Amino acid sequence: QVQLVQSGAEVKKPGASVKVSCEASGYTFTTYAMYWVRQAPGQRLEWMGWINPGNGDTKYSQKFQGRVTIARDTSASTAYMELSSLRSEDTAVYYCAREEGAYWGQGTLVTVSS
Amino acid sequence: DIQMTQSPSSLSASVGDRVTITCQASQDISNYLNWYQQKPGKAPKLLIYDASNLETGVPSRFSGSRSGTDFTFTISSLQPEDIATYYCQQYDNLPQTFGQGTKLEIK
Repeated sequence: QVQLVQSGAEVKKPGASVKVSCEASGYTFTTYAMYWVRQAPGQRLEWMGWINPGNGDTKYSQKFQGRVTIARDTSASTAYMELSSLRSEDTAVYYCAREEGAYWGQGTLVTVSS
Repeated sequence: DIQMTQSPSSLSASVGDRVTITCQASQDISNYLNWYQQKPGKAPKLLIYDASNLETGVPSRFSGSRSGTDFTFTISSLQPEDIATYYCQQYDNLPQTFGQGTKLEIK
């Protein structure tokens, strides 16, 4: 069965970077795009960007352009999302999801606090 | 970016009631709309794709429809396990965007 398993919770200081991983199983990793969404406490879901694992092409939301990098390791069937220059407003649960939206990771809580 | 205006933001209904949530897109998105259910501490679950298609395994009491840029999500007979927050999502244009959510409670 299809599964997306994300890395564990992180606590970071303002100005630091965080890298969250998303390991896919149960399907051919390079066949479907993977996107990243975040949800701040009490807020709506927010699309950050996505990657085509087949060729590595990426597209980012303008809101995060310059701060977010999405990458993949096809040998490990894993996608990564790195967010830099963290600020308190980046405290949120970060999710990976397969392009059609039917499969999501369990979420990774990133807390930014001094 | 395409704005998705979802209403109401919260809704209280009784078991067995018919429940309707709407989402309006700021421009034409064809049928490129998903509806999700999210329970506390969990990832969103896809219920409806392409505006009106029921995801495999989702109960038939859930349905979706489209009229122009207006989208409607309906639960025909509310069940206690339907208590959750519901979101619409457009995937016609990048960035994909979500509605602000509708928190559904039992009266």
